[in-house]
Amino acid sequence: TQLLEQSPQFLSIQEGENLTVYCNSSSVFSSLQWYRQEPGEGPVLLVTVVTGGEVKKLKRLTFQFGDARKDSSLHITAAQPGDTGLYLCAGSPQEYGNKLVFGAGTILRVKS
Amino acid sequence: NAGVMQNPRHLVRRRGQEARLRCSPMKGHSHVYWYRQLPEEGLKFMVYLQKENIIDESGMPKERFSAEFPKEGPSILRIQQVVRGDSAAYFCASSPQGSNTEAFFGQGTRLTVV
Repeated sequence: TQLLEQSPQFLSIQEGENLTVYCNSSSVFSSLQWYRQEPGEGPVLLVTVVTGGEVKKLKRLTFQFGDARKDSSLHITAAQPGDTGLYLCAGSPQEYGNKLVFGAGTILRVKS
Repeated sequence: NAGVMQNPRHLVRRRGQEARLRCSPMKGHSHVYWYRQLPEEGLKFMVYLQKENIIDESGMPKERFSAEFPKEGPSILRIQQVVRGDSAAYFCASSPQGSNTEAFFGQGTRLTVV
């Protein structure tokens, strides 16, 4: 079983629609990171959330860290074809020491 | 300030050969992670190293795979006697400290075993 469960696994939407991707765990994380990966490239760090309840905005992307620091969400407003990619959440659960673990990812395809 | 550098970007090996994948972390980073990724899948943790130490190798197969991060030079992921199932993208990430910090990735090495 995945320590970090991401949903949905796959999302295909039209340009201009809104969407939310979820990252859930039964473990507590000191911080969670979100990455975006395009085909043939390495993951690129988008944001780190640290404080329970924290909300961070990056242009049309809004990231939220759950109050209990066990879950996080990524909301994209008015999706663009350039948002297409694999979105990954990652973190180091407190019981795992410094090991950085990843969710399985959400594949997002935005059609024009 | 260069990012994480991995080489080669593409590596083709015949079954039974050895594959050596190199990763130079970002300047000032002393922690390195290696991950394996199959097409359209997430990243599977393999090993976490600090300079001259393996901290966690719980994701690495017990046989044929080894990793090192020497005091000088890049981190090396070594796969001996490669098999077709080893074909995948291998990513390296580095961070300045181990705990709860962001990791920055290289562009990966795509290993194809023929």
